[in-house]
Amino acid sequence: GAVVSQHPSRVICKSGTSVKIECRSLDFQATTMFWYRQFPKQSLMLMATSNEGSKATYEQGVEKDKFLINHASLTLSTLTVTSAHPEDSSFYICSAVGGGETQYFGPGTRLLVL
Amino acid sequence: GQQVMQIPQYQHVQEGEDFTTYCNSSTTLSNIQWYKQRPGGHPVFLIQLVKSGEVKKQKRLTFQFGEAKKNSSLHITATQTTDVGTYFCAGPGDAGGTSYGKLTFGQGTILTVHP
Repeated sequence: GAVVSQHPSRVICKSGTSVKIECRSLDFQATTMFWYRQFPKQSLMLMATSNEGSKATYEQGVEKDKFLINHASLTLSTLTVTSAHPEDSSFYICSAVGGGETQYFGPGTRLLVL
Repeated sequence: GQQVMQIPQYQHVQEGEDFTTYCNSSTTLSNIQWYKQRPGGHPVFLIQLVKSGEVKKQKRLTFQFGEAKKNSSLHITATQTTDVGTYFCAGPGDAGGTSYGKLTFGQGTILTVHP
């Protein structure tokens, strides 16, 4: 149980385009989903917290207009990187929390912006 | 805000040697969680410790939670090549925060095992 999927797993896009990443909890309802960014050999940097039916809470320094988060249902959250630039290239990981405190992570999305 | 520090950043061991990573929090934690991330993969939940002084074992892995609930350790006995990866500790987010389940991750310890 507690499977989280992420799509796409890899994406390459041109600078200036927008990219949408989906995060789904497959076998449980996620009250909260989190979006992280991870650079090579570094820790997970929390970007925002997504709660179904309400606006996402962004961490300090994360531009909400650049990283749009929508939590449409208890099993789906999306992160849209708008007007992507090369510096947005990174590994984006989502996680979902059901009834407990354990976070179940998706497999991540590797974004490369050319 | 809360800080979770983890050391060492890197650890290289010979297969069969033991390995320990340490985690320290600037504040008392209600619980601490440990995750493992294989190279190229995503973090996978290992365990959660809740009680002061708690010790839990998973085969060759031993997890400890300090008496003051501000530090924790993960010890691997007789490492194997399958233990390779980054080990993260994580504590609950800021007290009084609005987000249930929010975690603050340590920097992680990257373990390499030479066969």
